[in-house]
Amino acid sequence: NAGVTQTPKFQVLKTGQSMTLQCAQDMNHNSMYWYRQDPGMGLRLIYYSASEGTTDKGEVPNGYNVSRLNKREFSLRLESAAPSQTSVYFCASSLWETQYFGPGTRLLVL
Amino acid sequence: DQQVKQNSPSLSVQEGRISILNCDYTNSMFDYFLWYKKYPAEGPTFLISISSIKDKNEDGRFTVFLNKSAKHLSLHIVPSQPGDSAVYFCAASSRSNTGKLIFGQGTTLQVKP
Repeated sequence: NAGVTQTPKFQVLKTGQSMTLQCAQDMNHNSMYWYRQDPGMGLRLIYYSASEGTTDKGEVPNGYNVSRLNKREFSLRLESAAPSQTSVYFCASSLWETQYFGPGTRLLVL
Repeated sequence: DQQVKQNSPSLSVQEGRISILNCDYTNSMFDYFLWYKKYPAEGPTFLISISSIKDKNEDGRFTVFLNKSAKHLSLHIVPSQPGDSAVYFCAASSRSNTGKLIFGQGTTLQVKP
């Protein structure tokens, strides 16, 4: 039982490049989330998926898209990366109120 | 508008003493509160939670207190251990808002041996 897994662990992009961050959970949770963490700002919700087939914007969705591929997987895509998207990205899943987080993806956009 | 605030960026305590981490919120619709612990280069891990129908929840060395009238919650760690050194985030949710969590900025706790 791996919980929530994320790939890659670390990525460097040039401005304008695109990439997809992958997230998978094996806890049979309905809801999944993407957050970014920046110094002094806690975790901010980018997008979430309350159930398979649905996605909704969070607090900071601009510049991102998501796909809930199936119940297990929830991916985050940056179509044209910008330096302001340099951050640590966390995926989480939940059945009820408590969310369980993956180890994070550290992204640097040059 | 910061709905959940942790006003102390850092806290240092001696091993064996009590650590008290504080959190304030502004949205009266929040009805569930959580604390997460985060070590460097790892994801946040769930620590303890409390529903708005309670004012205290205890789990081993960790106790969370909720004061709804003051819109304030606190996490007490007794006794503090060096392994407790981490960043602590409080978070709040509203069941009417699909359970999305709003996080505070975090407090870095250092427990000195």
